[in-house]
Amino acid sequence: DSGVTQTPKHLITATGQRVTLRCSPRSGDLSVYWYQQSLDQGLQFLIQYYNGEERAKGNILERFSAQQFPDLHSELNLSSLELGDSALYFCASSVGPTVQETQYFGPGTRLLVL
Amino acid sequence: EDQVTQSPEALRLQEGESSSLNCSYTVSGLRGLFWYRQDPGKGPEFLFTLYSAGEEKEKERLKATLTKKESFLHITAPKPEDSATYLCAVVMFSGGYNKLIFGAGTRLAVHP
Repeated sequence: DSGVTQTPKHLITATGQRVTLRCSPRSGDLSVYWYQQSLDQGLQFLIQYYNGEERAKGNILERFSAQQFPDLHSELNLSSLELGDSALYFCASSVGPTVQETQYFGPGTRLLVL
Repeated sequence: EDQVTQSPEALRLQEGESSSLNCSYTVSGLRGLFWYRQDPGKGPEFLFTLYSAGEEKEKERLKATLTKKESFLHITAPKPEDSATYLCAVVMFSGGYNKLIFGAGTRLAVHP
């Protein structure tokens, strides 16, 4: 158990809908990272927040957004969902702001868009 | 173009048959390399971090090494419980900030 929690574990929704994924980092970690993992593209970095502020951006679509709250939990919002958004979404956390630090991953949320 | 390539894509070993997984990269400004293990449907589990060429790290049956162009994950006398996908990820400096790029992984199956 990495100490990173994610909810829900599974999510089934329809195209065009909007969903919110939630992540709580390990105790003491200030950075939260979001990743998307699909069969054909591997693990893709989406975005990083450090202590409430956006720190780095990867291949995140404009339909997706995230935020980190004062209690350090983070939410990833996915809107206007398409079939291709079906994937595993992972959250990871680390102590500091730099991506060179070890990241600890949560168990993931499996999203299925029908 | 910055790239991380893992080989082989899949590897089948008999229990006790040692082997190596490769992670090669064509990135400028390498700032570190991570190895993770991922079981099906679960989040990646951290194994090692390597920062400079010549560095080596060991943990149980696993040993990771780093050169200027590639990293190896050596598995000595593997057991069936070592079956998993092994991911490497490279930290590179690009466009004014650090990025983490994952390879596609090597699926390892160890049979008794």
